[in-house]
Parts: sequence; structure tokens; C-alpha cells
Amino acid sequence: GENVEQHPSTLSVQEGDSAVIKCTYSDSASNYFPWYKQELGKRPQLIIDIRSNVGEKKDQRIAVTLNKTAKHFSLHITETQPEDSAVYFCAASIEGENTDKLIFGTGTRLQVFP
Amino acid sequence: GAVVSQHPSRVICKSGTSVKIECRSLDFQATTMFWYRQFPKQSLMLMATSNEGSKATYEQGVEKDKFLINHASLTLSTLTVTSAHPEDSSFYICSARSEEVYNEQFFGPGTRLTVL
Repeated sequence: GENVEQHPSTLSVQEGDSAVIKCTYSDSASNYFPWYKQELGKRPQLIIDIRSNVGEKKDQRIAVTLNKTAKHFSLHITETQPEDSAVYFCAASIEGENTDKLIFGTGTRLQVFP
Repeated sequence: GAVVSQHPSRVICKSGTSVKIECRSLDFQATTMFWYRQFPKQSLMLMATSNEGSKATYEQGVEKDKFLINHASLTLSTLTVTSAHPEDSSFYICSARSEEVYNEQFFGPGTRLTVL
């Protein structure tokens, strides 16, 4: 079946450094790629998303790049802060039986040390 | 905008009982709602997709007779875990999507189910 791979599973950085998380997807028809931040016991929060008609999108310290040919997309966080510490999930849309649905990556636990 | 609520936030029940979880879109009409299950330190696994007024579509390996889904209105979907067992203990999260912002899903706060 369709799947989304995510790396690394854990990432530790010093405050102020950059963090990069990478995902690859298998369905060439996927056209929507959101990134979620989830804190322990809380709901996933959408932090940025990108659609297949663009290659890059930026929102302050967060950016996402998409390479449709290679079927991979990446999350870039610059100037990391301790409050960025959380689990991050990528996802890719796939066509379901009646409607599009999201397949999630396995998650990356980011720790930002002061 | 785009607020999704979920009740209860936490439930503890005895093995063999049934538990109902509600998912509501508070300020938009959700044509589609999704139900996910998340075990500790794991990703979100889609259980089923429901469209208002029609039967839910279940993912492979999810028992439709055990996890009953009802999407009776454009603002409410319910998940009933029937005859719950300890292995059903998990974090259940719903999400809702409108036609206006296609693809983007808005997540509820989740329900922590513990079956004793």
C-alpha cells in the first residue's frame, strides 16, 4: 500500500541551530503535504503545508520544500527554540475509496536544548 | 475558526463495555470526518473515513462491527468502541474537513481510552 517514510526518528539540536526533517512518499498522485507538530497528549497542530503546484513555502522560521520528481519533501526550522521541542509528523494525501485521505509519516521527536 | 471538539477527553471503562466518543465541528460544516488511533510513541493510523449521511469507509484491518461510526449531521460524528478490551486502549483522535478548504484537516483534542 501507499506509505510515507520519515527521517530521522529523533533529532537533538542546540537552541539557535537549524533542524531538518525529511519525508518520502510513494504515491505519485499525492498533491497535498502538511506538517504537524504534536505535543504530548495533545492534538496535532498544522504548522505548514504545501501543495504540488509549488516547490517551496516559508512562514517565518519554518519552511517546506517539495521535490515531486523525487517524491520527497522536507521541513526546515531555523533558529530553533526550546518551545519547538515536540513530535513532528509529515503527511501526504492519497486518493481513498470515496475521498482523499492523509497518510502520516512515523514521526520525528525534536529536542531543542537551551 | 475551524474548531473541532471531542468528548470525552478521557474515559476509563471495564472490559466488555461500549464507549462512545463524539466529534463536533463547532464553526464549520464538515462534509468529511476522519477517525485515527494513536498508540504511545507511534504515528496516527487512520481507522475510517465518514461522510455525512453515508456509511463509513474503513481502513484495512479495522473491524467495522467493533468500531461503529455514525456521521449523522454536518457537525457531528461518533465513534463507538463496542465490547472494548484492554488492547483497544489508545488515544483516539478525530478530524474534520470542509469542502471550502479541501485537503486540510482540523483535528479534535483526542480521547484517551483506557480499558481495564
